[in-house]
Amino acid sequence: DTAVSQTPKYLVTQMGNDKSIKCEQNLGHDTMYWYKQDSKKFLKIMFSYNNKELIINETVPNRFSPKSPDKAHLNLHINSLELGDSAVYFCASSQEGWDRGRADTEAFFGQGTRLTVV
Amino acid sequence: AQTVTQSQPEMSVQEAETVTLSCTYDTSESDYYLFWYKQPPSRQMILVIRQEAYKQQNATENRFSVNFQKAAKSFSLKISDSQLGDAAMYFCAYRGFPTSGTYKYIFGTGTRLKVLA
Repeated sequence: DTAVSQTPKYLVTQMGNDKSIKCEQNLGHDTMYWYKQDSKKFLKIMFSYNNKELIINETVPNRFSPKSPDKAHLNLHINSLELGDSAVYFCASSQEGWDRGRADTEAFFGQGTRLTVV
Repeated sequence: AQTVTQSQPEMSVQEAETVTLSCTYDTSESDYYLFWYKQPPSRQMILVIRQEAYKQQNATENRFSVNFQKAAKSFSLKISDSQLGDAAMYFCAYRGFPTSGTYKYIFGTGTRLKVLA
């Protein structure tokens, strides 16, 4: 029973195309994220949503548009794909409103989507 | 802004030996959480261990333990009795306390750990 699942796992597409990656979490978390991992393995936040509201947009090009239809889903649509968009994209979720001593303070990650633009 | 630095791009350890991975961070917050994640070739991000900044006691999880030095802003990971399955990228991560409004986990650049048989 996967906690955070994203589809597809692999995506190969041509420059200029539009593609979407879907993410769903069944943990009941309030916050969801998109991270990009480049070829050097650096993980960088792209977006975060809390209760369907966009909280963080880290200077990501307008071609990237996240959408959160409900708390459990966060999708990423990419327009006019470029070679430089090739990377692994991770969806993650976490719970907010911690009390001290809470056990589940970490981010839970999906398995990643490897996007290759040719 | 908070930053996380991992100064060791790659480390090697002999099977059954002990290795320590370094991490330093910078923050002006007093309450936060620190994590070590493991990413094997399968690319799945797996939580190894977490540390709450308000706790002085270092966290331990079986063969994994941390050395948390809050004043020095240092958070190293020690792996004892290294196993072949420990070979992976290891990421140090920082998360501010939720009430600070920081809705993101900040990651270091990672350390690739090789385990030699």
